[in-house]
Amino acid sequence: GQQLNQSPQSMFIQEGEDVSMNCTSSSIFNTWLWYKQDPGEGPVLLIALYKAGELTSNGRLTAQFGITRKDSFLNISASIPSDVGIYFCAGQSGNQFYFGTGTSLTVIP
Amino acid sequence: NAGVTQTPKFRILKIGQSMTLQCTQDMNHNYMYWYRQDPGMGLKLIYYSVGAGITDKGEVPNGYNVSRSTTEDFPLRLELAAPSQTSVYFCASSRQGRLTGELFFGEGSRLTVL
Repeated sequence: GQQLNQSPQSMFIQEGEDVSMNCTSSSIFNTWLWYKQDPGEGPVLLIALYKAGELTSNGRLTAQFGITRKDSFLNISASIPSDVGIYFCAGQSGNQFYFGTGTSLTVIP
Repeated sequence: NAGVTQTPKFRILKIGQSMTLQCTQDMNHNYMYWYRQDPGMGLKLIYYSVGAGITDKGEVPNGYNVSRSTTEDFPLRLELAAPSQTSVYFCASSRQGRLTGELFFGEGSRLTVL
């Protein structure tokens, strides 16, 4: 199957700091997605990217679809305690979505 | 606002038992998916369906079966449960179109096989 490498695996940051995580793939994707998962729940979509080079913001979140279509990054500015959770990147190829292994974010008040 | 509903939320099985995880969505989405999530491994696609009567294998289909008789329902069947099938299972749906991409997930079903 497709392999998405997501880094870092985990992050411990102080409240108010900015966060950056990224995802790379050996394959080209048509769509890049970023999801957040809270404990005991299913992932929820944060940002969807549909074109190479696209930069999209959603509040304090900003994500970019890499020019090569093989990578994407997610930035969170001015982190707050409710940002805690696991963040997943996902790439879409045809009818299938492939997920990264996740970045676990801990925000220290 | 039901969205994607999965049952049961928790289940313990003995090795060799069978069971069905139920999934239903009320958004009239034509695409539905089953994923399993293991610690540190992300989500792996088991099976998916692009519409009623059509199913396809994902990355890890062995030991599972699915059916899609209606748009709303996409049950996942485990035959002869094995410890390797201990995992959290997520059902998801999407409405494919020109701008594709958003998966709506259920809350998950945590299965333990002993």
